[in-house]
Amino acid sequence: NAGVTQTPKFQVLKTGQSMTLQCAQDMNHNSMYWYRQDPGMGLRLIYYSASEGTTDKGEVPNGYNVSRLNKREFSLRLESAAPSQTSVYFCASSEGTGKGQPQHFGDGTRLSIL
Amino acid sequence: EDQVTQSPEALRLQEGESSSLNCSYTVSGLRGLFWYRQDPGKGPEFLFTLYSAGEEKEKERLKATLTKKESFLHITAPKPEDSATYLCAVQAGNNRKLIWGLGTSLAVNP
Repeated sequence: NAGVTQTPKFQVLKTGQSMTLQCAQDMNHNSMYWYRQDPGMGLRLIYYSASEGTTDKGEVPNGYNVSRLNKREFSLRLESAAPSQTSVYFCASSEGTGKGQPQHFGDGTRLSIL
Repeated sequence: EDQVTQSPEALRLQEGESSSLNCSYTVSGLRGLFWYRQDPGKGPEFLFTLYSAGEEKEKERLKATLTKKESFLHITAPKPEDSATYLCAVQAGNNRKLIWGLGTSLAVNP
C-alpha cells in the first residue's frame, strides 16, 4: 500500500501565482488533513475534512482553499501565492476524528514562493 | 490554553547510551497522546498512542509511558538509525484536532 501520496514533491512559484497541491490516500480513511511545517513553528493545521463532503478551518486557513474531491482525495489550493506561504506542506489521513485515532502522513510538498 | 512542550530540543547520544525524551502537556480532558518519528525530508511516522495515565507501549528499542502531566519516550541502547526528530501530539476534550509539540531532534553517534 502506498498510504498517503502527495504531488508534487517540490514546487517553486512566483508571488501571485496559483497552484493546487494534490493528496490521495488508499487506506479507506474517512478524515483527511492539510498541515504546514515551518522551523520553530511546528506542524500547524490549515484545513481538515472529517468526512467526505465536509471541510473545516484549522489554525492557519487564510490564503488557502480545499476541496474534498471524494473519499480518497483532498486538495489544497493557493489562489495567489505569497512568500509567507513558503513551507513544507503535509497531507494526513485517519480513520476518523474520534478518540485516539492516529493520523498517517505523506512525505510532503516543499513549496518555495519567490 | 492547551499546550504541549517537548524537551530537550536536541539530544546527542553515543550508540548504546540510553536516554529519555519528554513531552509535557496542559490540556483539558486528554483523549490520546501520540508519538511520531520524522526523518529528514519525510512525513511524520506514527509510533504509539497512549490513552491514560500508567499506560506503557513498546516497539523495539522505544518505550512510551504516560502520566497525568507528561509522557516519556525511553530509548534503550540506541543505534544510529534511531536518529530522527521525535514529535508528540495530544488530542484533548471534544476537539477533533491535535496539538503538536515542536519535537526533539535526536542524533545517535556510532
